[in-house]
Amino acid sequence: SQTIHQWPATLVQPVGSPLSLECTVEGTSNPNLYWYRQAAGRGLQLLFYSVGIGQISSEVPQNLSASRPQDRQFILSSKKLLLSDSGFYLCAWSVGLVSYNEQFFGPGTRLTVL
Amino acid sequence: AQSVTQLDSHVSVSEGTPVLLRCNYSSSYSPSLFWYVQHPNKGLQLLLKYTSAATLVKGINGFEAEFKKSETSFHLTKPSAHMSDAAEYFCVVSESGGSYIPTFGRGTSLIVHP
Repeated sequence: SQTIHQWPATLVQPVGSPLSLECTVEGTSNPNLYWYRQAAGRGLQLLFYSVGIGQISSEVPQNLSASRPQDRQFILSSKKLLLSDSGFYLCAWSVGLVSYNEQFFGPGTRLTVL
Repeated sequence: AQSVTQLDSHVSVSEGTPVLLRCNYSSSYSPSLFWYVQHPNKGLQLLLKYTSAATLVKGINGFEAEFKKSETSFHLTKPSAHMSDAAEYFCVVSESGGSYIPTFGRGTSLIVHP
């Protein structure tokens, strides 16, 4: 069966520090991968998605970046965190470039920037 | 282009009474529609999906939704609420022929009173 892992589960970082969040998927090949951010009391904002190794699409201009060094690994990074980067970060995967396949979400990372 | 509107940001019910969470969508192509549930500090879990088969879709935990093309709606219902149903619910649209990237509603918070 397929599983998705995210770590760390929680993170407290000072403003201006770097960030690296990791997401890995098991049990499937060539998944579409997604990073979402959920600010307090708000919906999901799509940050990045990837359809293959090294292929990253950005949805929102920001000081975050994403990389996909391996087929089932997706990394979210920042060189210098802002207060506004605080939130709940969710990684998700889906199969195929089709509209009818659902997404599977990881457990999330709670990031607090102080 | 696709969009989705969740008509209520909060819905409050008593345990044992029916649940209705409303969702309207807009799509230029044949849409696929999904409902996800998110418990506090957790990832999202698929409740059910519509993909152009039966218009009445049954999901997990007693939830169901009916696709009504004439009303462009996909409302989520449950006959009897449980305390464990208290969570955030997201309606999602993804259209064939367009971008396969799904669009999320802003979410409806379901509050269940004992």
